Amino acid sequence: DQQVKQNSPSLSVQEGRISILNCDYTNSMFDYFLWYKKYPAEGPTFLISISSIKDKNEDGRFTVFLNKSAKHLSLHIVPSQPGDSAVYFCAARPFQGGSEKLVFGKGTKLTVNP
Amino acid sequence: DSGVTQTPKHLITATGQRVTLRCSPRSGDLSVYWYQQSLDQGLQFLIQYYNGEERAKGNILERFSAQQFPDLHSELNLSSLELGDSALYFCASSVGRGSNQPQHFGDGTRLSIL
Repeated sequence: DQQVKQNSPSLSVQEGRISILNCDYTNSMFDYFLWYKKYPAEGPTFLISISSIKDKNEDGRFTVFLNKSAKHLSLHIVPSQPGDSAVYFCAARPFQGGSEKLVFGKGTKLTVNP
Repeated sequence: DSGVTQTPKHLITATGQRVTLRCSPRSGDLSVYWYQQSLDQGLQFLIQYYNGEERAKGNILERFSAQQFPDLHSELNLSSLELGDSALYFCASSVGRGSNQPQHFGDGTRLSIL
């Protein structure tokens, strides 16, 4: 039962253009959502997050959008740079008193071509 | 550098053996989390400790156990190892007080069972 789904295993984008990574979830108890970036042989690096009470959060080139009615999350990267090439994981935290465990999607591999 | 340190980076052992993975959290973080990433899978939550006490459990096998010590470092013990236990094991840490603070990950331990 996969509660967080990233349906696109890979995405290829031209440098300077927008990258849009998508994530769908099924559990309405999720109250906090995060995006992580992962390079080979390294651990996931936190990128940006959003609380369920918001619908948008921006940090530099990265913007996360949350559509609660559609149970959909997206990460926009503008403009995309070759250094953004990595695997991106969407993660969600279910509201459970005392636990901050995260549920991860399987990831989307982003390739930004020069 | 996330500030989370995991040792060793690689472990190669045989079926039936027992290993211990170690994690030092970021300075000031009280919560430690363990995740397993098998081939082509997202990260799967195993267990969380907060200030020395178990806070939440995921789908952790009975052959696996963990603890968090008074200095807040944590160890994950895997025993009676099977071929299917080959995976990347990540440790993460966070402030862990129920606030919307992200988890920060170490670079993982790659466990190979021969």
